[in-house]
Amino acid sequence: AQSVTQLGSHVSVSEGALVLLRCNYSSSVPPYLFWYVQYPNQGLQLLLKYTSAATLVKGINDFEAEFKKSETSFHLTKPSAHMSDAAEYFCAVSSYGNNRLAFGKGNQVVVIP
Amino acid sequence: SQTIHQWPATLVQPVGSPLSLECTVEGTSNPNLYWYRQAAGRGLQLLFYSVGIGQISSEVPQNLSASRPQDRQFILSSKKLLLSDSGFYLCAWSVSDYTYEQYFGPGTRLTVT
Repeated sequence: AQSVTQLGSHVSVSEGALVLLRCNYSSSVPPYLFWYVQYPNQGLQLLLKYTSAATLVKGINDFEAEFKKSETSFHLTKPSAHMSDAAEYFCAVSSYGNNRLAFGKGNQVVVIP
Repeated sequence: SQTIHQWPATLVQPVGSPLSLECTVEGTSNPNLYWYRQAAGRGLQLLFYSVGIGQISSEVPQNLSASRPQDRQFILSSKKLLLSDSGFYLCAWSVSDYTYEQYFGPGTRLTVT
């Protein structure tokens, strides 16, 4: 079974500082990996995805993530946090032939002015 | 382009009453369809998914049911709501290709009183 671990349910970051959200996955087959963002009372929006092409993936709103097979990680970063980045972020994993996503528990990001 | 609709946006129902939530997708054919529930502090829980008309897979045994009467329509139902059914219900779709990223609707906030 595939799974994702996101540590730290709440993450505080100062405006203008680096945003780093950690995601570690478990998968016995090559994974497909995703980051989603959810604003209050809204659905999830796809930020970026890794599907076995380039290991450094760029997404919307200057977010990027790097797939590291040796570390089974897919951490999300953004160089400079904006107030509008305050939201909940979910990492998810799937694989070829698997039409379900396994989600992590999410990180609630708070941006401090 | 593809769009996904959910209604109603919010719903307050008494314990023991029936439930019907609807999800429709536009701009694509034969999508995979999913129902998730978010309860406070509990992340995303996959309830049902469907790969075609009349084909429903249940992930969690409970008093909810799902139906797919048309290719792009997915309905979540209950005959008698419980307090524990309160939460944020999200519908999602994916293309039946090899990447399986899912696209989410705006959600329905259900409060059972």
